[in-house]
Amino acid sequence: AQTVTQSQPEMSVQEAETVTLSCTYDTSENNYYLFWYKQPPSRQMILVIRQEAYKQQNATENRFSVNFQKAAKSFSLKISDSQLGDTAMYFCAFGAQGGSEKLVFGKGTKLTVNP
Amino acid sequence: GAGVSQTPSNKVTEKGKYVELRCDPISGHTALYWYRQSLGQGPEFLIYFQGTGAADDSGLPNDRFFAVRPEGSVSTLKIQRTERGDSAVYLCASSRGSGSYEQYFGPGTRLTVT
Repeated sequence: AQTVTQSQPEMSVQEAETVTLSCTYDTSENNYYLFWYKQPPSRQMILVIRQEAYKQQNATENRFSVNFQKAAKSFSLKISDSQLGDTAMYFCAFGAQGGSEKLVFGKGTKLTVNP
Repeated sequence: GAGVSQTPSNKVTEKGKYVELRCDPISGHTALYWYRQSLGQGPEFLIYFQGTGAADDSGLPNDRFFAVRPEGSVSTLKIQRTERGDSAVYLCASSRGSGSYEQYFGPGTRLTVT
């Protein structure tokens, strides 16, 4: 069974600065995907970024980028130029390729961006 | 186009009652998932539909929980004899199907069992 661990329950950052959220996972699968989802108080889970395990290049989406270390089973999210609208819960998730492709989530990190 | 919608947004029920939660996936999405999110936790998988059939129901906690998707679109999660421990946010997600790997979530239904 896969597990996802987010070791930072809460983090804060000043507006316009950079913050990194940590995530580690455990799996015996070789083919899988990793995701970061954002959940604002509205409860809507929004996909921020995804990484295919077979790709060595780290994914980027505008101000969001990941540091994917497959051997270490680490998948951190870097948010650059933080904005007030980035305040939310952030969840790291694992999805094995094939089968049901259900997602296994971590417990989340509550990020607060301060003005 | 429209995203995933869920109704009701909030549901309060008494212990022992029966409830139904509805999910309308994105049009054309063949895969549909139900997750449960307890307070302070990440979502936990309940059941997965590919088309009309439940392809993976390994996350359903017990036989009080059941879900259907009779026409391969709308899905209903049904909970019998509700217990206070069933209180949570129930999230629905859909994706284009096997191999798409991107799930789009609805806003969830907050269920409170008193």
